[in-house]
Amino acid sequence: DQQVKQNSPSLSVQEGRISILNCDYTNSMFDYFLWYKKYPAEGPTFLISISSIKDKNEDGRFTVFLNKSAKHLSLHIVPSQPGDSAVYFCAASPNAGGTSYGKLTFGQGTILTVHP
Amino acid sequence: NAGVTQTPKFRILKIGQSMTLQCTQDMNHNYMYWYRQDPGMGLKLIYYSVGAGITDKGEVPNGYNVSRSTTEDFPLRLELAAPSQTSVYFCASRGTGGTEAFFGQGTRLTVV
Repeated sequence: DQQVKQNSPSLSVQEGRISILNCDYTNSMFDYFLWYKKYPAEGPTFLISISSIKDKNEDGRFTVFLNKSAKHLSLHIVPSQPGDSAVYFCAASPNAGGTSYGKLTFGQGTILTVHP
Repeated sequence: NAGVTQTPKFRILKIGQSMTLQCTQDMNHNYMYWYRQDPGMGLKLIYYSVGAGITDKGEVPNGYNVSRSTTEDFPLRLELAAPSQTSVYFCASRGTGGTEAFFGQGTRLTVV
């Protein structure tokens, strides 16, 4: 039972354009969501997060949108740069701390390629 | 600032052998985790710990054991390695009041 799904295995974008990565979840108990970026042969690195009390969080070129009713979140990267080429994982937690102890459920990942 | 350090980076095991994957963090984080990532899949939680002496199972604990004798270290033990344990293993840590986990570089394990 895949509770967090990233249905697009890959995405190819031209440099300077917008990249939109999508993520769907099924567990209504999830209320904290994170995006991680992963380069080959490295561990995932935290990118941006959003709590369920918000519908948008922005950090520089990265914006995450959350639609709770649709159980859907998306990551927008504007403008995209070749250095953004990596695997992006969506992750979810029942809460930021508390009894979930920060345990994360991950999606399968989306490979983003930004062409110069 | 080392963060989360995993050793070894690569290892090939024969079926039935045992090994310990080492993980240490220098951020004084209470929470530590072991995840595995199979090709084309997301990370799955094997075991986690909320402090020294306290561990619990995650989603895929079978075939593994952990211990947490200090805040810094959280080793993962594989007993009787099987081909199904071929994967990339990531250790992570998080502060009690934090919101994101910090990951190590990973250990690529192949069981043949």
